[in-house]
Amino acid sequence: DVKVTQSSRYLVKRTGEKVFLECVQDMDHENMFWYRQDPGLGLRLIYFSYDVKMKEKGDIPEGYSVSREKKERFSLILESASTNQTSMYLCASSISGLLYEQYFGPGTRLTVT
Amino acid sequence: AQSVTQLDSQVPVFEEAPVELRCNYSSSVSVYLFWYVQYPNQGLQLLLKYLSGSTLVKGINGFEAEFNKSQTSFHLRKPSVHISDTAEYFCAVSVFLSSGSARQLTFGSGTQLTVLP
Repeated sequence: DVKVTQSSRYLVKRTGEKVFLECVQDMDHENMFWYRQDPGLGLRLIYFSYDVKMKEKGDIPEGYSVSREKKERFSLILESASTNQTSMYLCASSISGLLYEQYFGPGTRLTVT
Repeated sequence: AQSVTQLDSQVPVFEEAPVELRCNYSSSVSVYLFWYVQYPNQGLQLLLKYLSGSTLVKGINGFEAEFNKSQTSFHLRKPSVHISDTAEYFCAVSVFLSSGSARQLTFGSGTQLTVLP
């Protein structure tokens, strides 16, 4: 069974703080993704990585950065958190060549106050 | 740009009744189509996919979907639902990234299916 884990289920941060969301997968997948999920908007892709140290911007990269130093780990960074970044963040992974068959973690609900 | 429209945000249905969750997409090129399900407090999991071939595809838990190219639709159906089917369902289409280097998923806004006893 593929397992994608996220470091926190719930997180509360203050405006202006630097926030790190961590994601780890245990199936040696090449591709990893970060999405944010908002009611009525579905999932929107923030960033995508297809290999270590490689990344591609998704639909809404503004205000976010990512880091992938090891194949199993993909971090999402909010350099200076703002209230409009309050959301559910989902991490996913997939094998190379099957970009669309993604395995998701349980999500991190981030609240920025 | 590709887009996915899920016409119903909420679908309540009684247990053992049939259900159809609607999905339409817009695309100028061929697409792959998917349905994902999100149970409460969990991540998404793949329910079924259409890549090519037969337009009727079967997924897990008794769900099926039919690809209709002329109507640009990919509606999800189940003939008899259970309480355990209560979840949010997302339709998704696979498109190319603007860089041309990969295909990403574009998700619809989701449909909350609530099965009532």
